[in-house]
Amino acid sequence: GAVVSQHPSWVICKSGTSVKIECRSLDFQATTMFWYRQFPKQSLMLMATSNEGSKATYEQGVEKDKFLINHASLTLSTLTVTSAHPEDSSFYICSAKSGILYEQYFGPGTRLTVT
Amino acid sequence: DAKTTQPPSMDCAEGRAANLPCNHSTISGNEYVYWYRQIHSQGPQYIIHGLKNNETNEMASLIITEDRKSSTLILPHATLRDTAVYYCIGPGGSTLGRLYFGRGTQLTVWP
Repeated sequence: GAVVSQHPSWVICKSGTSVKIECRSLDFQATTMFWYRQFPKQSLMLMATSNEGSKATYEQGVEKDKFLINHASLTLSTLTVTSAHPEDSSFYICSAKSGILYEQYFGPGTRLTVT
Repeated sequence: DAKTTQPPSMDCAEGRAANLPCNHSTISGNEYVYWYRQIHSQGPQYIIHGLKNNETNEMASLIITEDRKSSTLILPHATLRDTAVYYCIGPGGSTLGRLYFGRGTQLTVWP
């Protein structure tokens, strides 16, 4: 089956610093990748959609200058949380989709804690 | 926003069938219904999707009513590892590949 990995699986950073999270599709080419955020006891919230080689499309209310997304290749997308603050602490999950597939495949998630 | 209605929680005995309902009364003719599940602190897992015919795969069966306003996900022999939040994604919930998750159903399988 299709496998998506994320790195790191958890990270703790200080307020004001930036954190980069990687999302990789290991055995298929992901024409589209998605980034979600999930707070405790809540559902997943879609943050942005990225297509390889083009700018990400952000959902309403998501700050594009704070959450930088790069989709440089068909197997890698990165999310950088810039100037992180404690309220950015959350579970960040990516997913990947190939153009010929209906379903999305999700990574295991990255737990970010900002102190 | 996902326009689906699911019960917030359900219980099922191990080895029995788990039937998870979903109402999606505003679904249009070309919108698929997708089911995903999320085990605690993990990324969601794709289960199955369908348009109007019933579907079955190695994980589950999906029964869609003839008017397409509701569907039922069936796990034929639930195990403890099936304890998870199950998300039904329907009208407005899947646009250009994007998925908008609702609150889902917390399924608890007990021994």
